[in-house]
Amino acid sequence: DAGVIQSPRHEVTEMGQEVTLRCKPISGHDYLFWYRQTMMRGLELLIYFNNNVPIDDSGMPEDRFSAKMPNASFSTLKIQPSEPRDSAVYFCASSFAGSSYEQYFGPGTRLTVT
Amino acid sequence: GESVGLHLPTLSVQEGDNSIINCAYSNSASDYFIWYKQESGKGPQFIIDIRSNMDKRQGQRVTVLLNKTVKHLSLQIAATQPGDSAVYFCAENAGKSTFGDGTTLTVKP
Repeated sequence: DAGVIQSPRHEVTEMGQEVTLRCKPISGHDYLFWYRQTMMRGLELLIYFNNNVPIDDSGMPEDRFSAKMPNASFSTLKIQPSEPRDSAVYFCASSFAGSSYEQYFGPGTRLTVT
Repeated sequence: GESVGLHLPTLSVQEGDNSIINCAYSNSASDYFIWYKQESGKGPQFIIDIRSNMDKRQGQRVTVLLNKTVKHLSLQIAATQPGDSAVYFCAENAGKSTFGDGTTLTVKP
């Protein structure tokens, strides 16, 4: 398996623009997580899905952030409009509840909003 | 509220020495704990886990100890190597995973 795939790996955009981050989880995994990592705040859980259904979005910072999982093999995290304080590395992770809570992380998307 | 924290943000050790990274957690309902390693420019990677009904678990060169009485978790790395240099996170799971702030381990040759 190729592991969790994220795209793009790097994104530079101007303030006010819409940003869409993409994730393909490991095949067969039934949980998908979106995290944001910054030096100041560390690794923060934004939202997670189970069987494509959002379970907990309490970590989503504000209405500018939205996440979808239209099917078991694809998820998006959208920021509209983007702001400089959204600059961070965004990780997607997936796991299979049938084995353990171990999460497999993607390589991350480094977002810079100018 | 829930919190997971590591005792020291940075740790520097000599190559070949043993390393001990500590973590304190607050949620007594947590039933599962994981240590992750994050190398520069990469996502966190699973190292070892332990369930709340265990006190100790060993892997290859790594050992995790769990003390539920004081809500303390530690990761021991034997014969630390330069490739062990990374940020280490502990995570607890009580429904969803909560990550600590991370300890940066630097191994000096």
